[in-house]
Amino acid sequence: DSGVTQTPKHLITATGQRVTLRCSPRSGDLSVYWYQQSLDQGLQFLIQYYNGEERAKGNILERFSAQQFPDLHSELNLSSLELGDSALYFCASSVSGGFNEQFFGPGTRLTVL
Amino acid sequence: GQQVMQIPQYQHVQEGEDFTTYCNSSTTLSNIQWYKQRPGGHPVFLIQLVKSGEVKKQKRLTFQFGEAKKNSSLHITATQTTDVGTYFCAGEYLYDYKLSFGAGTTVTVRA
Repeated sequence: DSGVTQTPKHLITATGQRVTLRCSPRSGDLSVYWYQQSLDQGLQFLIQYYNGEERAKGNILERFSAQQFPDLHSELNLSSLELGDSALYFCASSVSGGFNEQFFGPGTRLTVL
Repeated sequence: GQQVMQIPQYQHVQEGEDFTTYCNSSTTLSNIQWYKQRPGGHPVFLIQLVKSGEVKKQKRLTFQFGEAKKNSSLHITATQTTDVGTYFCAGEYLYDYKLSFGAGTTVTVRA
């Protein structure tokens, strides 16, 4: 158990819909990172927040957005969902603002039908 | 765009044998990290290499960072069934603040 929690574990929805994935970092960690893992694209870095502020942006689509709240939990919002958005979404956290040791959560498996 | 290439994609190993997985980048990396993901699990941090030519060992695992900071390798000796999983490298670019994961090497072990 990494100490990072993600909800829900599984999510099944239809194309065109919008969903919100939630992540709670380890106690004391200020950074939250979001990743997408799919069979054809591998593990892709989406975005990082550090202490409430966006710190780095990766291959995140415009239909996706994220935020980090004052209590440091984070949410990833996915809208206008497409079949290709079906993937495992991981959240990770770390103490620092850089890309150092990250602790990954168990992931949310999103299925878009 | 900037990308970290990782080979081989699959590695089938007899228990007790050694194997190596390699990562290469066309541009200089600030640092490189290695993660392991067991089947059905999440990535788990193994190590971070920062210095040019750095070599670090964790029991049977040896990690190297190239002199030019463009390549890295993970060598596992005397493979055990507990080594099964996918090993990813992840490179942070020197002048571009993002992390790029390699495609991973999926290791299976024959007992």
